[in-house]
Amino acid sequence: AQKVTQAQTEISVVEKEDVTLDCVYETRDTTYYLFWYKQPPSGELVFLIRRNSFDEQNEISGRYSWNFQKSTSSFNFTITASQVVDSAVYFCALSHTGANSKLTFGKGITLSVRP
Amino acid sequence: GAVVSQHPSRVICKSGTSVKIECRSLDFQATTMFWYRQFPKKSLMLMATSNEGSKATYEQGVEKDKFLINHASLTLSTLTVTSAHPEDSSFYICSARDMEDSSYEQYFGPGTRLTVT
Repeated sequence: AQKVTQAQTEISVVEKEDVTLDCVYETRDTTYYLFWYKQPPSGELVFLIRRNSFDEQNEISGRYSWNFQKSTSSFNFTITASQVVDSAVYFCALSHTGANSKLTFGKGITLSVRP
Repeated sequence: GAVVSQHPSRVICKSGTSVKIECRSLDFQATTMFWYRQFPKKSLMLMATSNEGSKATYEQGVEKDKFLINHASLTLSTLTVTSAHPEDSSFYICSARDMEDSSYEQYFGPGTRLTVT
C-alpha cells in the first residue's frame, strides 16, 4: 500500500520569507515516482516536478527547490523568497511505475503568503 | 503539448437529473484516463480508472451505477453522474496518460465544478 503524509495543513508566511513544505511517503516498491502539484484558487492542478526514485539529486528551479531523501522517505519542497502568487494548495503525490499505476495524493498544504 | 480539456467547466443541475462531464486529450492519445473527485479543502480522491475499449475499474466505495464512465475513443472519456443529489456536488478532475509516454505521467484537466440543487 502507498501512503503520502503532508503533516502541515496550513502555513502562513509574509512575502519574501522562505517556506518549506514537508512530504513523507510510504511504499514497498523499489521504483516509484514522486510529484508536487500546485492548486491555485482556480482549481486547476499545476504540475511542478516529477522525481524518479533512483534519482536522489536535489533540484532547483528558480525560487523552487526540492530535497529528496530516500533514507527518510521524504520529498520536501522549499519556496525561497515567497510571493503572494505562491498562495495555493500544494499536493505531494506518489506513483508506482506501470501502465495502470495510480497516483496517491497527500492531503495538501494550504500556503498563504501575505504581502 | 499534453493538454487535457474538460467540459463543462461548471455545471448546475437539479436533483434527480443526470449530468455528463467530458474529458479530452487534445494532442495525444490516451488509453488510460482517471477520474478524481475533490471536496472543498480536501485532497483528490481517485474514483475510477478508465481504459479505452473496456470497462472502467472503480475504487472501493464508488458506485458504478451512480458514476458511469465511458472511454469510447483514445481521446475521450466521459463521466455521467446519474440521478444527481446535492451530496454529489463536488469538483471533478480527470487526467490522461499519454500512451507513448514511458514515464506514465498523468496530465490533468482543469476540472469541472458540479453543483446539484
